[in-house]
Amino acid sequence: EVQLVESGGGLVQPGGSLRLSCSASGFTFSSYAMHWVRQAPGKGLEYVSAISSNGGSTYYADSVKGRFTISRDNSKNTLYLQMSSLRAEDTAVYYCVKALTWGQGTLVTVSS
Amino acid sequence: NFMLTQPHSVSESPGKTVTISCTRSSGSIASNYVQWYQQRPGSAPTTVIYEDNQRPSGVPDRFSGSIDSSSNSASLTISGLKTEDEADYYCQSYDSSTLVFGGGTKLTVL
Repeated sequence: EVQLVESGGGLVQPGGSLRLSCSASGFTFSSYAMHWVRQAPGKGLEYVSAISSNGGSTYYADSVKGRFTISRDNSKNTLYLQMSSLRAEDTAVYYCVKALTWGQGTLVTVSS
Repeated sequence: NFMLTQPHSVSESPGKTVTISCTRSSGSIASNYVQWYQQRPGSAPTTVIYEDNQRPSGVPDRFSGSIDSSSNSASLTISGLKTEDEADYYCQSYDSSTLVFGGGTKLTVL
């Protein structure tokens, strides 16, 4: 069974940093591109970032470019999202996504 | 870049059929596969349709997907509506290697 389990969310002050992790199991992690998608409270789904299967190519939404960094460790079957210079508008549930499968999400709250 | 536009909300009675549209703003709807996700309150999205019209295992055949090049749109049709189908539905396609989402449609079954 394909499983994606996010962790690392929490409360952080504006301007702060946080690193999200997504632990993958049940499939050959190194064969798939992976994505981060977020959902602000009461809002729709917003693409955040993507990374190719070998980590050689990365993509970012304009809203996070220069502040967020996506990476992966294929030896650990883990996807990461390093978030810095966080703003109130980054408050959201962050989902790890592989093709048709979504994790349960981790909540990031940016507030003083 | 393109956008996907969905109606904000639709409503229908149990047992009836409802169709949710997803219109692509530029470029052909047939250029990239369309997926549909169901999201119930407090839960993560789940896939109900992938690659325009394919159902994952476990999704009932009451759910079907299609694309229409003449209107440059994709559609999700749910027949024999049940109260458990009440949820938000999102369409999604690809722009190069990134994901493009529609704004979501709230389905009310009343």
